Amino acid sequence: QSVLTQPPSVSGAPGQRVTISCTGSSSNIGAGYDVHWYQQLPGTAPKLLIYAYINRPSGVPHRFSGSKSGTSASLAITGLQAEDEADYYCQSYDSSLSGSVFGGGTKLTVL
Amino acid sequence: EVQVLESGGGLVQPGGSLRLSCATSGFTFSSYAMTWVRQAPGKGLEWVSVISAGGGSLYFADSVKGRFTISRDNSKNTLYLQMNSLRGEDTAVYYCAKSSSSWSPNDAFDIWGRGTMVTVSS
Repeated sequence: QSVLTQPPSVSGAPGQRVTISCTGSSSNIGAGYDVHWYQQLPGTAPKLLIYAYINRPSGVPHRFSGSKSGTSASLAITGLQAEDEADYYCQSYDSSLSGSVFGGGTKLTVL
Repeated sequence: EVQVLESGGGLVQPGGSLRLSCATSGFTFSSYAMTWVRQAPGKGLEWVSVISAGGGSLYFADSVKGRFTISRDNSKNTLYLQMNSLRGEDTAVYYCAKSSSSWSPNDAFDIWGRGTMVTVSS
């Protein structure tokens, strides 16, 4: 069981908007630690998608955005495209474990 | 071009040892913390260990503490992971990743290698 909780799967039709949640606790997100998001396309290494909740690295489309609310973070993808089909992971730091933690991952299916 | 390339994976028996390497180029290696992350077949990502830019701060996941050691050679732009007393549950793809700063426990991992597969089996 992961320290950060994500839904196992989400789906949406091309052009639609989907959100992926990442729920933590008082020792990670609730303690003020940043959340980062990664995209892992099938058979490839993870790629940084969003850092420190809302920031996009160079080259990441504006369709991807992040937000925070209390002890949770969310990743939103607008204008879904077939190429967005991938696994998405959130990551933060946990003070109780003294290390980084990942969510269990969410598989996005584009219908 | 920034590059990160892992090597050293393979098949090892339970209780055995393996040393992974991560060769880097295209950035000032000595200025950034480096991290190992693993992914068991069909499973999610698991953070394994981090080392600060200068090598003075090291942290490990509880699952590998006391068995794995992380080190770096800043003169060779290379990161290492020494894995001892390997178990079946250590079977995974091991990724080397660059942290976004010289040291922060809350760094993002902004550059990833393609990974190297470690299989622990008799």
